[in-house]
Amino acid sequence: DGGITQSPKYLFRKEGQNVTLSCEQNLNHDAMYWYRQDPGQGLRLIYYSQIVNDFQKGDIAEGYSVSREKKESFPLTVTSAQKNPTAFYLCASSSIRGTEAFFGQGTRLTVV
Amino acid sequence: AQSVTQLDSQVPVFEEAPVELRCNYSSSVSVYLFWYVQYPNQGLQLLLKYLSGSTLVKGINGFEAEFNKSQTSFHLRKPSVHISDTAEYFCAVSVRDDKIIFGKGTRLHILP
Repeated sequence: DGGITQSPKYLFRKEGQNVTLSCEQNLNHDAMYWYRQDPGQGLRLIYYSQIVNDFQKGDIAEGYSVSREKKESFPLTVTSAQKNPTAFYLCASSSIRGTEAFFGQGTRLTVV
Repeated sequence: AQSVTQLDSQVPVFEEAPVELRCNYSSSVSVYLFWYVQYPNQGLQLLLKYLSGSTLVKGINGFEAEFNKSQTSFHLRKPSVHISDTAEYFCAVSVRDDKIIFGKGTRLHILP
């Protein structure tokens, strides 16, 4: 079945450590996105990418980094510079940027 | 730039009663509009979308929405809700070749 796979579903890290969240899609979509979700704040865009080896900052990119070496993969690294990293992270993709997005099941990151 | 406002953060409604979740957007160009549903600790699932054409859009699970250009609204409706409709609902807006912007979400509480 086609879809988006995020792993792991739950992730725990100590403060000061970098952590990488995985996102893979087999929908042959060009565009991919990372959103952060906090209670009552909706989805906030971290980074997005339209093509391989190209990506743009979203509204809250500070403390995060991404890469897009393959069309299918768009990993997100939460660095130690992110002041409040505990959140639910959602990856999405779409066939043409701006049309409907398909979402993964999310990764809940807890930093202690 | 586009923006979207969901007018209610929470909506309580009795089971089998009708419901309307309100969404307003702003944009200087033609838009695409979406409603997504999110169940606890899961990703978002598309309920329905408006890209062009008929202003009344029907989606899954008995939901429908009407695009009103003059009022810049895209309200979601269901004539009779079920306990299984308990979830958070997100309105989203985009234009072609641009990022998708999400509202802050509306929690739908179904009362027995």
